[in-house]
Amino acid sequence: DTGVSQDPRHKITKRGQNVTFRCDPISEHNRLYWYRQTLGQGPEFLTYFQNEAQLEKSRLLSDRFSAERPKGSFSTLEIQRTEQGDSAMYLCASRGGGVIYEQFFGPGTRLTVL
Amino acid sequence: AQKVTQAQTEISVVEKEDVTLDCVYETRDTTYYLFWYKQPPSGELVFLIRRNSFDEQNEISGRYSWNFQKSTSSFNFTITASQVVDSAVYFCALRSRGSNYKLTFGKGTLLTVNP
Repeated sequence: DTGVSQDPRHKITKRGQNVTFRCDPISEHNRLYWYRQTLGQGPEFLTYFQNEAQLEKSRLLSDRFSAERPKGSFSTLEIQRTEQGDSAMYLCASRGGGVIYEQFFGPGTRLTVL
Repeated sequence: AQKVTQAQTEISVVEKEDVTLDCVYETRDTTYYLFWYKQPPSGELVFLIRRNSFDEQNEISGRYSWNFQKSTSSFNFTITASQVVDSAVYFCALRSRGSNYKLTFGKGTLLTVNP
């Protein structure tokens, strides 16, 4: 499978716990995006990496959220001290270089905070 | 600021009917790109089409067609002879040049095609 993969697919946690998600982009893609999708809404941009550099963060990304892409390949998104409002689908997308290449999305990680 | 509006929250049709999903966008940029994605129950967003702001030519791909009109800032999507497998949430999205290519999505339209 050469698409974008995400792990885990589902995560249930208790409020206050920390969680970490992983995204493996398409191998030749150097751009990586994280989005969050709440019920009944479209995905909303969280953050963007070009190689290992985090070049943009949305205001949605509070201090409890941190994302990394240490070697410019896979990325992790960590949420500390989870809150019920963090319950959502977290989507990862990757893109190649140039101006027209599409973003290809992974299957998402569905987080439920109890 | 950019905005995408999909006024239709849910649409229900019977198989073989034609259905049009509406999308209206707002942007101050002169160069931008419009997209449609399909999200089946499995959750993965599937890319359907990209349109450049300087290319208003309509496009047809099998049972799918897209009508881009800059004058009304609309990018509507029509499915001809709908099938049950078309049931999904459809998202319209906008990307401006120079925005790190991040996407601004509408809220989506849930299409249900009944047999």
